[in-house]
Amino acid sequence: DAGVTQSPTHLIKTRGQQVTLRCSPISGHKSVSWYQQVLGQGPQFIFQYYEKEERGRGNFPDRFSARQFPNYSSELNVNALLLGDSALYLCASSFGAGHSNQPQHFGDGTRLSIL
Amino acid sequence: SQQGEEDPQALSIQEGENATMNCSYKTSINNLQWYRQNSGRGLVHLILIRSNEREKHSGRLRVTLDTSKKSSSLLITASRAADTASYFCATNTGGFKTIFGAGTRLFVKA
Repeated sequence: DAGVTQSPTHLIKTRGQQVTLRCSPISGHKSVSWYQQVLGQGPQFIFQYYEKEERGRGNFPDRFSARQFPNYSSELNVNALLLGDSALYLCASSFGAGHSNQPQHFGDGTRLSIL
Repeated sequence: SQQGEEDPQALSIQEGENATMNCSYKTSINNLQWYRQNSGRGLVHLILIRSNEREKHSGRLRVTLDTSKKSSSLLITASRAADTASYFCATNTGGFKTIFGAGTRLFVKA
């Protein structure tokens, strides 16, 4: 079975632009979470979507938004990009929601560089 | 701020030695998870331990949880060069957020 897939793998943008990152969860998984990982730090929680609804949001500005589609895939959108948005963006899927005592399965991420 | 904080930040050992990493957290949890991340890759789930469990094993991995001290440890026995990676603890407090620590960078010398 395919694992969590993310696209694109690398992306270069300039300040002020907008970006859309995509994630396909493991088949059968209904929960998708997004994380931002700055070099040398742990992943920071951005959003969790479960059954196509936003269930949790981390401490990120409104420039960050996401959605989950009927097939449980997800997109993360970031508007008005800043240099500080340069990071590895990770998507993780699980069968249940965050409190369901089930592990998350991660994709290899999208490396976003802002010039 | 991070819910979980790992200690040490970095650890260098010889192949065959044991590696112990610790994680402390601040609030009551529903579960605690350990993940491994190889450079530039995604995270790989290692072990999930529930708040009512005290110890779990998986192969060469042993995880303990002390909820009274709000701490957990990950022991890797008979380490191998392939164990070189960053290791993160992550906590869920019963809601929809999973909060990661800053990680321990483990280097195993062959």
